[in-house]
Amino acid sequence: QSALAQPASVSGSPGQSITIPCAGTANDIGGYDYVSWFQQHPGKAPKLIIFDVSNRPSGISHRFSGSKSGNTASLTISGLQPEDEANYYCNSYSGSTTLGVFGTGTTVTVL
Amino acid sequence: DVQLVQSGAEVKKAGESLKMSCKASGYNFANHWIGWVRQMPGKGLEWMGIIWPGDSETRYSPSFRGQVTISADPSIYTAYLHWSSLKASDTAIYYCASQGGGDCSGGSCYDLWGQGTVLTVSS
Repeated sequence: QSALAQPASVSGSPGQSITIPCAGTANDIGGYDYVSWFQQHPGKAPKLIIFDVSNRPSGISHRFSGSKSGNTASLTISGLQPEDEANYYCNSYSGSTTLGVFGTGTTVTVL
Repeated sequence: DVQLVQSGAEVKKAGESLKMSCKASGYNFANHWIGWVRQMPGKGLEWMGIIWPGDSETRYSPSFRGQVTISADPSIYTAYLHWSSLKASDTAIYYCASQGGGDCSGGSCYDLWGQGTVLTVSS
């Protein structure tokens, strides 16, 4: 099971919107509505920010939103803020392993 | 409080054995998947495997099957990750993650994470 494909880095200015794509296959992203996204600041544990494609856990800002089209999921951060600078990982249920599979990770830089 | 608390940092030599732990509190431990995630230095996240503590059903990632053993003791709300013979390449941070945080209802949603255990293995 290969990792889901994400761009290594994405950047934006404060207040802008950015989108992080996550490409998979019909056996993971395309086959199930079980995509989640995690934010990880340096030296910290990952934090769930989106689950089941587009749902936000309690306490997560509305600036974070998720979507899916075919075998690709996306995370959009609107109104970019300095504290959004972190690494972001997508994750999907995989039918082949019956486990999750993470994306390669994207570093978000706020210019 | 709903939380996962992991055991402390470990420094080991290649060939030694190790069992690290993840203690849950504040939710029904037996009825939620709990898993282990590896993060090698400067690298991304990798699923190692998950376990359903209620009946010990365990699923391993192909990359980790046969390399580690995942177990759980629901009587003390604790999950474990065990190596019988460590390698230098096992040096990493290991996180436990659970679906017991209150937001998840299945799939691959993990809303509760431990603080991580740093493992250093010297050759």
